[in-house]
Amino acid sequence: GEDVEQSLFLSVREGDSSVINCTYTDSSSTYLYWYKQEPGAGLQLLTYIFSNMDMKQDQRLTVLLNKKDKHLSLRIADTQTGDSAIYFCAESNRYGNKLVFGAGTILRVKS
Amino acid sequence: EPEVTQTPSHQVTQMGQEVILRCVPISNHLYFYWYRQILGQKVEFLVSFYNNEISEKSEIFDDQFSVERPDGSNFTLKIRSTKLEDSAMYFCASSGGGVENTGELFFGEGSRLTVL
Repeated sequence: GEDVEQSLFLSVREGDSSVINCTYTDSSSTYLYWYKQEPGAGLQLLTYIFSNMDMKQDQRLTVLLNKKDKHLSLRIADTQTGDSAIYFCAESNRYGNKLVFGAGTILRVKS
Repeated sequence: EPEVTQTPSHQVTQMGQEVILRCVPISNHLYFYWYRQILGQKVEFLVSFYNNEISEKSEIFDDQFSVERPDGSNFTLKIRSTKLEDSAMYFCASSGGGVENTGELFFGEGSRLTVL
């Protein structure tokens, strides 16, 4: 079945770049997402990428997709303490339907 | 900005009791979902709902679970007889389905269910 894997923890200094990595198994994945979850809050969509793209940039966020290796990354430039949260990678193979999530990467930003 | 709202934010119940979790999706959305996250584990898909019927459900969504859209605005998840392992955060989500739909799911803040 589909599976999404992420590293569990990342610690960076304020002002540095953060790179969160994700791998997935479903070769028919069409949409790949990054969600952010702050303590006690819901899941906030940060960005998504279609599988026919290899890069998407949105302000401080850069998503890179290597479809051949089924590898997705999220780069956060100039990481701030407010970026501390859990970041979930997710994929779906259909139009906004069932999402398969990774376990989440805890990002800790040290000031 | 429109948002998905969920109630209650936290519910504590005894094993074997029925629980109803409520959600108000974004008003012009057509697709509705329930996901759950057991503490320390992945967010898991439970069920999707479209056009007043279940469009897909996972293995977790057994006969103890049901969903309903009783009045055109609320979307509910009922657990008929709760078990200890039902303790989790339950997230409701909705998505548009229209021409401009990007497939983005908008999530509520979750309802934490604790079964004792």
